[in-house]
Amino acid sequence: LAKTTQPISMDSYEGQEVNITCSHNNIATNDYITWYQQFPSQGPRFIIQGYKTKVTNEVASLFIPADRKSSTLSLPRVSLSDTAVYYCLVGDPLGGGNKLTFGTGTQLKVEL
Amino acid sequence: KAGVTQTPRYLIKTRGQQVTLSCSPISGHRSVSWYQQTPGQGLQFLFEYFSETQRNKGNFPGRFSGRQFSNSRSEMNVSTLELGDSALYLCASSPRRLAGEGPYNEQFFGPGTRLTVL
Repeated sequence: LAKTTQPISMDSYEGQEVNITCSHNNIATNDYITWYQQFPSQGPRFIIQGYKTKVTNEVASLFIPADRKSSTLSLPRVSLSDTAVYYCLVGDPLGGGNKLTFGTGTQLKVEL
Repeated sequence: KAGVTQTPRYLIKTRGQQVTLSCSPISGHRSVSWYQQTPGQGLQFLFEYFSETQRNKGNFPGRFSGRQFSNSRSEMNVSTLELGDSALYLCASSPRRLAGEGPYNEQFFGPGTRLTVL
């Protein structure tokens, strides 16, 4: 499984755009990149998933360069409620069943 | 659609006891996974069940076991509890999707069971 590296923490203010970068140098051809969000005392929640280039949904964008050795989760105009831990996961979702390997995650703190 | 439910939400046990946790997946989801979350080790995968069969297993001792029933509900059992087993135990269910139907391997987590071992 590809190892991921993320910043341990980030601080931001309401209304700003937040970009969290994840490094995954040994990503394999069949691996997808997935991000989850977790609030205290709750289970993680799926945010976005991508394989290459750019993916956008109603809550975030995911930018993946051509070499796929890193990815950036972009949260537009964050609010206090976006304060959470964000996990980057890399793996082959079509092989080996449903098993998620979480790293340490990035604690995002949003202030007024 | 109702989300993943876990019971009980909180549990206090003493060392040496055993405990059974229950998880009801989202209707139609056949895959159920269990995770342990502690401040020191983070989120760790325990095992996954699909159609009543264990499909994946994490690196936990044999004291941790699970099973899945024909209605996809799952139980997790921990025997001979140790202080270090105190954790938030999370269950997640996942739908079976074909290409183009949505994100692969998207897991829907329950609220967890907070287990405290004294």
